[in-house]
Amino acid sequence: GAVVSQHPSWVICKSGTSVKIECRSLDFQATTMFWYRQFPKQSLMLMATSNEGSKATYEQGVEKDKFLINHASLTLSTLTVTSAHPEDSSFYICSATAIGTGGNQPQHFGDGTRLSIL
Amino acid sequence: GQQVMQIPQYQHVQEGEDFTTYCNSSTTLSNIQWYKQRPGGHPVFLIQLVKSGEVKKQKRLTFQFGEAKKNSSLHITATQTTDVGTYFCALERDSNYQLIWGAGTKLIIKP
Repeated sequence: GAVVSQHPSWVICKSGTSVKIECRSLDFQATTMFWYRQFPKQSLMLMATSNEGSKATYEQGVEKDKFLINHASLTLSTLTVTSAHPEDSSFYICSATAIGTGGNQPQHFGDGTRLSIL
Repeated sequence: GQQVMQIPQYQHVQEGEDFTTYCNSSTTLSNIQWYKQRPGGHPVFLIQLVKSGEVKKQKRLTFQFGEAKKNSSLHITATQTTDVGTYFCALERDSNYQLIWGAGTKLIIKP
């Protein structure tokens, strides 16, 4: 159980293109989804926290107009990298926590999206 | 803000040797989680520790939570090639289930 699907897994596109990444919880309802960015050989950097039906909470230094997050349902959150440039190239990964018993729940991760902007 | 220090950054071992990674916080933690990320993969939840002095085992993996709930460790006995990856500790931030991640310790098996 607790499977998170992230799509696409790899994107290569030209500078100026907008890229949409989907994160779905397949077998559970996710109250909260998280979007991370991970640079090679580094830890996960939280970009934003996404709650169903409300605006995402962005971490300091993350441009909300650049990284648009929509959490339309309890099983789907999307991240759109608008007008992507080479410096946006990175590994983007989402995670989700389940509705349930309260307290701290583990995060279940998607497989990640490797974004390369030419 | 709340931070967690994880050491070492890398550990090279011969197959069959033990491996340990440590996480330390300046503040008392309510709980701590451990994740494993294989090369090219995504983090996978391993365990959560909640109680002071707690010790939990998963086969060759032993997880400990300090008495003061400010530190934690993961010890792997007799490493195997399947253990290769980066091990992260993570602790809960103040709200909304956000996690603060350690820098990770990469386990490398020497050829």
